[in-house]
Amino acid sequence: KQEVTQIPAALSVPEGENLVLNCSFTDSAIYNLQWFRQDPGKGLTSLLLIQSSQREQTSGRLNASLDKSSGRSTLYIAASQPGDSATYLCAVLRPGTSYGKLTFGQGTILTVHP
Amino acid sequence: KAGVTQTPRYLIKTRGQQVTLSCSPISGHRSVSWYQQTPGQGLQFLFEYFSETQRNKGNFPGRFSGRQFSNSRSEMNVSTLELGDSALYLCASSISTQEAFFGQGTRLTVV
Repeated sequence: KQEVTQIPAALSVPEGENLVLNCSFTDSAIYNLQWFRQDPGKGLTSLLLIQSSQREQTSGRLNASLDKSSGRSTLYIAASQPGDSATYLCAVLRPGTSYGKLTFGQGTILTVHP
Repeated sequence: KAGVTQTPRYLIKTRGQQVTLSCSPISGHRSVSWYQQTPGQGLQFLFEYFSETQRNKGNFPGRFSGRQFSNSRSEMNVSTLELGDSALYLCASSISTQEAFFGQGTRLTVV
């Protein structure tokens, strides 16, 4: 059974800091790993998708890495801003009969204060 | 390109009633998945539909059901509502193993 863990559960940083969010998964047999952002009471916004054959993906101030062999991914946020405050979730897609079944971590609640 | 659309956004129902939620996927996406999000359990997979067939089902009671239409729109139904069914219900659409896109969710409150 795939389990996904995110550390830390919550993080509070001053504006301008660079920060790293961690995600670990127990089964390295994955199709891909996706990072999402969720604002309170809202849906999920996809940030980055890393296919199993890739090592990292970048979008603006965000960089996500994937190490399948160790079952880890990190999301790096550069020069954090108050607008980055949200819950960040990672999810993995495993091979199987379904392409729609993502397994999520519990998320990291990020607060960036001015 | 329109995103994933879920309706309604908010619902208040009484215990014992039933409810139907709707999800319109991104055009061209044939896979539609449903998730339940609660503060205690996080995001849990309900089921996935592809080309009108249920491909996978999570560990939820039979009161939770769904279907998908020929235009890929999907509905999920919850019968005999319980207080514990109060949650944010999220729908996602995707193509194969590519990026999953989520809707804004339906907030269901059971009183």
